[in-house]
Amino acid sequence: TQLLEQSPQFLSIQEGENLTVYCNSSSVFSSLQWYRQEPGEGPVLLVTVVTGGEVKKLKRLTFQFGDARKDSSLHITAAQPGDTGLYLCAGGRNAGNMLTFGGGTRLMVKP
Amino acid sequence: DTEVTQTPKHLVMGMTNKKSLKCEQHMGHRAMYWYKQKAKKPPELMFVYSYEKLSINESVPSRFSPECPNSSLLNLHLHALQPEDSALYLCASSQKRTYQRGGRDEQFFGPGTRLTVL
Repeated sequence: TQLLEQSPQFLSIQEGENLTVYCNSSSVFSSLQWYRQEPGEGPVLLVTVVTGGEVKKLKRLTFQFGDARKDSSLHITAAQPGDTGLYLCAGGRNAGNMLTFGGGTRLMVKP
Repeated sequence: DTEVTQTPKHLVMGMTNKKSLKCEQHMGHRAMYWYKQKAKKPPELMFVYSYEKLSINESVPSRFSPECPNSSLLNLHLHALQPEDSALYLCASSQKRTYQRGGRDEQFFGPGTRLTVL
């Protein structure tokens, strides 16, 4: 069974602060997806990383895939209240279409 | 267009009712999924359809009955549910099919149906 450990589970910060969310596994994934989910809504895909060592930027969000494709991080610079939500990482496998989800990080950014 | 639509947005039903959840996508994806999500938890996979055929059933109770009428539509029929079945039900779709090797892993989610069973 492939597991994705996501940390921290909960983060409450002030507007303007920086933060990093981690997803770690002992298993190799073919890709890593990051989603953001607002209460009562479905997860929205932010980014997919597929190559070991890959870094992708989406405005103030920076995503990195570990060299060995076992871990990933999401860094947010100068967090805004609009960044509040549940952040989910999900790992894909080369064979098949099932995703392994991390436990989620609930982020609250206070004005 | 990366949109997956779901209806209804909210549903309240009694334990003896029969209701259906609907999902639609027009991205040409040939795999569609049902997930159940409880508060503050990640989505849990229930069913996977690949080329309109049920390929994965994650030991879901028979009171949940999925149906895939065509490649764009996915239904979830509900009957004799329990209060503990109350949750957000999410539909998703992907290019990648069950048993496919390689390809893009992304799944695109709908907004969900908030189900309350009384």
